[in-house]
Amino acid sequence: DGGITQSPKYLFRKEGQNVTLSCEQNLNHDAMYWYRQDPGQGLRLIYYSQIVNDFQKGDIAEGYSVSREKKESFPLTVTSAQKNPTAFYLCASSVNRFEAFFGQGTRLTVV
Amino acid sequence: AQSVTQLGSHVSVSEGALVLLRCNYSSSVPPYLFWYVQYPNQGLQLLLKYTSAATLVKGINGFEAEFKKSETSFHLTKPSAHMSDAAEYFCAVSEGAGNMLTFGGGTRLMVKP
Repeated sequence: DGGITQSPKYLFRKEGQNVTLSCEQNLNHDAMYWYRQDPGQGLRLIYYSQIVNDFQKGDIAEGYSVSREKKESFPLTVTSAQKNPTAFYLCASSVNRFEAFFGQGTRLTVV
Repeated sequence: AQSVTQLGSHVSVSEGALVLLRCNYSSSVPPYLFWYVQYPNQGLQLLLKYTSAATLVKGINGFEAEFKKSETSFHLTKPSAHMSDAAEYFCAVSEGAGNMLTFGGGTRLMVKP
């Protein structure tokens, strides 16, 4: 089945740690995105990539980093510089303007 | 710049009643508009999309939405609510290269028995 796989589903981070969230797609989509979701705030764009080896900052990129070494993969690293990382993170991909396909999300909690 | 406003962060209806979730947008070019549904702790699933064809768009699970350019609206409706419709609904607009979706703040739909 084609789709987007995010892992892990739940992730716990200690203060000062970097953690990496995985996002893999087998839809052959060029564009991939990372969104952060907080209660009552909708989805906010962190980073996006339209092509391999290229990515751009979204609205809330500070404290996050990404890479796009393969078309299928777009991992997100939440660095220690992100002071409030507890949130639900969603990865998406698309091939044109018609729609984006979403993964099932990763819930990150700081302990 | 594009933006989306969803009126009402929470909407409560009785089972069998009409569902109306409101969405207004702003866009400098003809927009593509979307409604997504999210169940707890899950990703977003596309309900329906407007891509400049018919202004009345039918989606999954009995939902439909009407694009009204004069009102810059794209409200989501369903004639009769089911308990399984309880979820969060997001309206989104796309206008730029790279399919940049801008989302509204979401509306949580509650269905009372």
